[in-house]
Amino acid sequence: QKEVEQNSGPLSVPEGAIASLNCTYSDRGSQSFFWYRQYSGKSPELIMFIYSNGDKEDGRFTAQLNKASQYVSLLIRDSQPSDSATYLCAVIPSGTASKLTFGTGTRLQVTL
Amino acid sequence: GAVVSQHPSRVICKSGTSVKIECRSLDFQATTMFWYRQFPKQSLMLMATSNEGSKATYEQGVEKDKFLINHASLTLSTLTVTSAHPEDSSFYICSAFPSGVSVSETQYFGPGTRLLVL
Repeated sequence: QKEVEQNSGPLSVPEGAIASLNCTYSDRGSQSFFWYRQYSGKSPELIMFIYSNGDKEDGRFTAQLNKASQYVSLLIRDSQPSDSATYLCAVIPSGTASKLTFGTGTRLQVTL
Repeated sequence: GAVVSQHPSRVICKSGTSVKIECRSLDFQATTMFWYRQFPKQSLMLMATSNEGSKATYEQGVEKDKFLINHASLTLSTLTVTSAHPEDSSFYICSAFPSGVSVSETQYFGPGTRLLVL
């Protein structure tokens, strides 16, 4: 079974700190990796995608991918209260015709 | 950016009735749309892939006769929950991506439809 695992949290960080969100996946052949943010009662919105090993930065967000360890993470710098949400890791496993497999999400709380 | 709409945003119905949910891509054509379901505190689970002009493909464990999908045009897919029961109460979300483009970063989600079956 192709799975994506995340710690459900909540992860609590003070305002201005770095939040680190982690995700592991089981299908070694996966090629595409995504981070979505989901506010309560809303649908997911894409934050970042990453395909290659290493880091990818976009503003306050950095995605990190390590295919050998089957690990992908999201760093949020200068965390703001508005970042408080559930962060979903998603993967397109091999041979699934572009279908996203989501993790259960990590709830992030940024405290004042 | 690309916009995907869903209607209705919220629906309450009696057990045994059928409910239709619409998913529209407003400013692009979508050959393929996906339907997801999300129960409280759980992740999104893919239910089916909706293909314009052909039958939908359903994920394992999803009853195709209960969740009818029609993708009659390049901008509209509908999901009908037939004979709904309280256990069907959930958050239903569709996504779409422009025809001819990789689904990768260009998959756009609708705002979701919250279904409550009494």
